[in-house]
Amino acid sequence: IQLTQSPSSLSPSVGDRVTITCRASQGVSSSYLAWYQQKPGQPPKLLISAASALQSGVPSRFSGSGSGTDFTLTVSSLQPEDFATYYCQYIDTYPITFGQGTRLEI
Amino acid sequence: EVHLVESGGGLVQPGGSLRLSCAASGFTFSDPYMDWVRQAPGKGLEWVGRIKNKAGGYTTQYAASVTGRFIISRDDSKNSLYLQMNSLTIEDTAVYYCTRSWLHFNDYWGQGALVSVSS
Repeated sequence: IQLTQSPSSLSPSVGDRVTITCRASQGVSSSYLAWYQQKPGQPPKLLISAASALQSGVPSRFSGSGSGTDFTLTVSSLQPEDFATYYCQYIDTYPITFGQGTRLEI
Repeated sequence: EVHLVESGGGLVQPGGSLRLSCAASGFTFSDPYMDWVRQAPGKGLEWVGRIKNKAGGYTTQYAASVTGRFIISRDDSKNSLYLQMNSLTIEDTAVYYCTRSWLHFNDYWGQGALVSVSS
């Protein structure tokens, strides 16, 4: 399974609604699709599991959706602390794969 | 509180070997599968490999890029995960993360250990 994220980078403004897409090379189970946020110098942080399940402590402005081959991560109103790189991941088959990342930059 | 702490990183020459350790605390280490994920400088995340738990027979899986060179092991009695890296190349230069695989995601990550392969 290959995961392709789009766009690769984005320069939104605070308050913008941002949508990141993760496309799988073939249909996958949404149960195994996760999203992570990574800030410079830090490890990735799990945001969403099973395509749409928000992790405890993650702000509700983050949401995930999708099925089959197309999945999205949406930030409803971008905050300054959301500028980071976001990765999707598929964890059902080997090798476990990550998308190439989407960088949100100021 | 869950903690994963990697150690053993450093500078090694091409063709050399290095062993990373990951000390776990705050959870029953023997329960989950454990993964290693790496990140080359300025690049994205790359899954390195996995070791299952005792119920899974301690089975290991590896990325094609490291198969035959890297070995993952665990010592549940010491709450520790290991990554033995052999025949290292410049392309193995990366930060290596130890991460807990829980259900269908990686929920906890260490801070990472930097491995630099250079002559």
